[in-house]
Amino acid sequence: NAGVTQTPKFQVLKTGQSMTLQCAQDMNHNSMYWYRQDPGMGLRLIYYSASEGTTDKGEVPNGYNVSRLNKREFSLRLESAAPSQTSVYFCASAYGTGPSNTEAFFGQGTRLTVV
Amino acid sequence: QKEVEQNSGPLSVPEGAIASLNCTYSDRGSQSFFWYRQYSGKSPELIMFIYSNGDKEDGRFTAQLNKASQYVSLLIRDSQPSDSATYLCAGPLTGGGNKLTFGTGTQLKVEL
Repeated sequence: NAGVTQTPKFQVLKTGQSMTLQCAQDMNHNSMYWYRQDPGMGLRLIYYSASEGTTDKGEVPNGYNVSRLNKREFSLRLESAAPSQTSVYFCASAYGTGPSNTEAFFGQGTRLTVV
Repeated sequence: QKEVEQNSGPLSVPEGAIASLNCTYSDRGSQSFFWYRQYSGKSPELIMFIYSNGDKEDGRFTAQLNKASQYVSLLIRDSQPSDSATYLCAGPLTGGGNKLTFGTGTQLKVEL
C-alpha cells in the first residue's frame, strides 16, 4: 500500500519554464490537496479537489493550474515558473466526508527550485 | 492573518516534562481540528484529530478543544527527544468545506 505518491522528488527549473507535478493515491480517497511549504509560512493550500472532475482554489492559487484526472490522480502545473515558486510542494488526500474524515495523508513532497 | 494561528517557538522542554502546544482559530463555525507532527525534511503525519469540546487522549498525547474560546491545544506527557519536531495545527478553511488550512507550526525541542 503506497499511500500518496508524488513525482518528482526534486526539480530545478529555469524562470519561465513549465512543469507538472504528479500525485497519485491508492486509498480510494475523494478529496485531494496541493500545498506549498515555505520557511516561516507553514503549509498553504494551493488547490483542492473534492472529487473527480471538481477543483477549487485555495489560499495561494495564482501561477498554478490543476487537473483531477480521475479519482486517483491530481496534478499541479506551473505554466511559467518564477523564483517565488521555489518551495516544497506536498500533495495530500483524505476520504473527505464527516468531521473526522478530512484527516489528510501526505506524500513525501517535491522540492522545487526555480533559478 | 491566518485563520489558524500558532506560536512558532521554539518551545524547549526537558525530557520527561509536559509539552503544551497551542493554536487559536478565527472561524467560530469550525468543527474539527487536527494536529500533525513534521520532522525536518519529512512530510506531515497525523497525530490526533478532535471535533468535540473537551479532551481527547491517545497514549501520551491529549488534544483539547475549547470552542467558546476558539483554541485548540496539544499536550505531550513524558516528552522524549524523539518528540522534537514541528507540530502543525489544522482546521477547516472558512467557507471551504473540507479544505484544510494549517497554522505555521510550533517547533518543539525536548532536551536531555
